[in-house]
Amino acid sequence: SQQGEEDPQALSIQEGENATMNCSYKTSINNLQWYRQNSGRGLVHLILIRSNEREKHSGRLRVTLDTSKKSSSLLITASRAADTASYFCATGPGANSKLTFGKGITLSVRP
Amino acid sequence: DGGITQSPKYLFRKEGQNVTLSCEQNLNHDAMYWYRQDPGQGLRLIYYSQIVNDFQKGDIAEGYSVSREKKESFPLTVTSAQKNPTAFYLCASSTQESGNTIYFGEGSWLTVV
Repeated sequence: SQQGEEDPQALSIQEGENATMNCSYKTSINNLQWYRQNSGRGLVHLILIRSNEREKHSGRLRVTLDTSKKSSSLLITASRAADTASYFCATGPGANSKLTFGKGITLSVRP
Repeated sequence: DGGITQSPKYLFRKEGQNVTLSCEQNLNHDAMYWYRQDPGQGLRLIYYSQIVNDFQKGDIAEGYSVSREKKESFPLTVTSAQKNPTAFYLCASSTQESGNTIYFGEGSWLTVV
C-alpha cells in the first residue's frame, strides 16, 4: 500500500523558476522525507522533516509539513536543468522501520 | 568509498529460470531492503531485514526469496514463480543512527526474454 501521494504527477518549468511539489498522506507519521531519482539510477535522500517540525531548509530546498492537513510540500528555488529528475515523498513510522513511498513527480527543467 | 553495490546492472532471464541479484553494503547498516520499481507505480517493498538471519515480507514478496547470512549482504532471488519479473530492482539500507533515512544502491534492471 502506498501512503504518500505526490501532486502533480509531472511538472515542466523554465530554468530559474521555482518548482513546488506536494505530497499528501493518510495516517499519522513520525517523519516525512523527500528523495530524488535521476533516470535509471537509485534514489538519493534530500531532506527529512519530523512530525514536530513545520519547515526545514537545505540549500535551495524548502520543505514544509502540515500534520493537520496531512500534507507536505517541497520547494526548489531557482531551478536548474540539473534538477530534472523524479521526486518522491516517503513517510515513516520510526527508525529502521520500512518507509512507504509515493509514485513520484517527474520534474523537467528547460534550459 | 562507502556505499551500496548492486550487481549486475542489467540482467536478462529466460522464462522459468531463477536469478539472483546481489546487494552488498559497507556502511555497517543493520537494516536492508529490496524494492521493485515499475513505470508509474513508484517503489514497492519486496522484503526487508532489520538484523542478520532475520527478514520479513514486504508488500509484494510472492515469487521472491532473500537471505541475510551476513550483515553486509542481502541477495534477492527472483524465482520462476514471479510471473511478471521485468522491472527495476533497488536495494537499500539504513541504520538507527541515520534515523529513518534510507540509502539506495544504483539499481538492477531485470528483463525476461
